[in-house]
Amino acid sequence: KAGVTQTPRYLIKTRGQQVTLSCSPISGHRSVSWYQQTPGQGLQFLFEYFSETQRNKGNFPGRFSGRQFSNSRSEMNVSTLELGDSALYLCASSLTGVITDTQYFGPGTRLTVL
Amino acid sequence: AQSVTQLDSHVSVSEGTPVLLRCNYSSSYSPSLFWYVQHPNKGLQLLLKYTSAATLVKGINGFEAEFKKSETSFHLTKPSAHMSDAAEYFCVVSDRGTASKLTFGTGTRLQVTL
Repeated sequence: KAGVTQTPRYLIKTRGQQVTLSCSPISGHRSVSWYQQTPGQGLQFLFEYFSETQRNKGNFPGRFSGRQFSNSRSEMNVSTLELGDSALYLCASSLTGVITDTQYFGPGTRLTVL
Repeated sequence: AQSVTQLDSHVSVSEGTPVLLRCNYSSSYSPSLFWYVQHPNKGLQLLLKYTSAATLVKGINGFEAEFKKSETSFHLTKPSAHMSDAAEYFCVVSDRGTASKLTFGTGTRLQVTL
């Protein structure tokens, strides 16, 4: 069974631009979560989608948004990029997101903002 | 709000010697706790999880952790380190009732020397 895939793996943008990252969960998984990893702040939860609805949200500004499609694939968008948005963005999927599930992480998208 | 504190940012052991990575948690309810490992340029992998069943949890690759409520600890151990264990380890707590909103510790880098 294929794992969680994220595209692109690497991305370079300039300040003020916007970016869209994509995540394809493991087949059959309906819950998709996004995390940001930086050296200074560590790993932080962004949001979770389940059945095309945002179910949980972390403490990030509105510039960070996401969506989920009917096939459970998810996209994350960051508008008006800032230098501090440079990070590894990780996507994770699980069957339904309940506590007995296991979250499987993708390899991440490395975003560099210049 | 729940949180985890990893007491060591860096641990160095010799190959074949025991590994101890320390984690304390804070939670207003009975928490679900996890240990994840991140190898360089790879995604996060679940080592083990505690969800209020047995307090001694066995994971993959010979790792185990013990949930101690009286000490609010969830330390990760392995009897004998292997070179391939060198990686970053994260102690994680989840939001109540869900495995999809995770709060990560700051990580412990494990170095294994010959």
